[in-house]
Amino acid sequence: AQSVTQLGSHVSVSEGALVLLRCNYSSSVPPYLFWYVQYPNQGLQLLLKYTSAATLVKGINGFEAEFKKSETSFHLTKPSAHMSDAAEYFCAVINNQAGTALIFGKGTTLSVSS
Amino acid sequence: DTAVSQTPKYLVTQMGNDKSIKCEQNLGHDTMYWYKQDSKKFLKIMFSYNNKELIINETVPNRFSPKSPDKAHLNLHINSLELGDSAVYFCASSPSRRSNYGYTFGSGTRLTVV
Repeated sequence: AQSVTQLGSHVSVSEGALVLLRCNYSSSVPPYLFWYVQYPNQGLQLLLKYTSAATLVKGINGFEAEFKKSETSFHLTKPSAHMSDAAEYFCAVINNQAGTALIFGKGTTLSVSS
Repeated sequence: DTAVSQTPKYLVTQMGNDKSIKCEQNLGHDTMYWYKQDSKKFLKIMFSYNNKELIINETVPNRFSPKSPDKAHLNLHINSLELGDSAVYFCASSPSRRSNYGYTFGSGTRLTVV
């Protein structure tokens, strides 16, 4: 069975500070990992994905994530937070087997203060 | 031109009523999904169809019945609505059932049962 755990339900940073959102995964087979962002009253937008190519993945809006197999982690980072980054962030996992679907973590709310 | 569109965006109804939510995708994807997001923002897969065939049916009450008339449409019908059905329902699509591309989500339908 697969799962993801997002550490910290709420992260607060100042504008211009580093953003670090943590995600650990559990999977018995090589996983595909994703980060999605949800702005208030909107759907989910794909930020970036890891699909067994490069371990450092760059996404939209300046975000990136690094797949670390030894740590079973896929943490999301951004060097400098912007007010517009305030949103809910979800880590998700899937394996390439039929009959499976994306499994989401519980989400992390990112607040950015000026 | 919206890739995955859901209607209605908001739905307020009384307990015991029957309601439907419609979803359409114009991406040419083969696979579509319904997710439920609860009040704590947790996202859980409900159903998945691949080219009109049901491939995922999670533990969901029988009052929920998905229907896929063609691969571009996936509707969700809910009978005898209960207070606990209040949530945001998201439709999503992916190129195939073994997709490592991630999913494209609609903007959600907020269902409130009173």
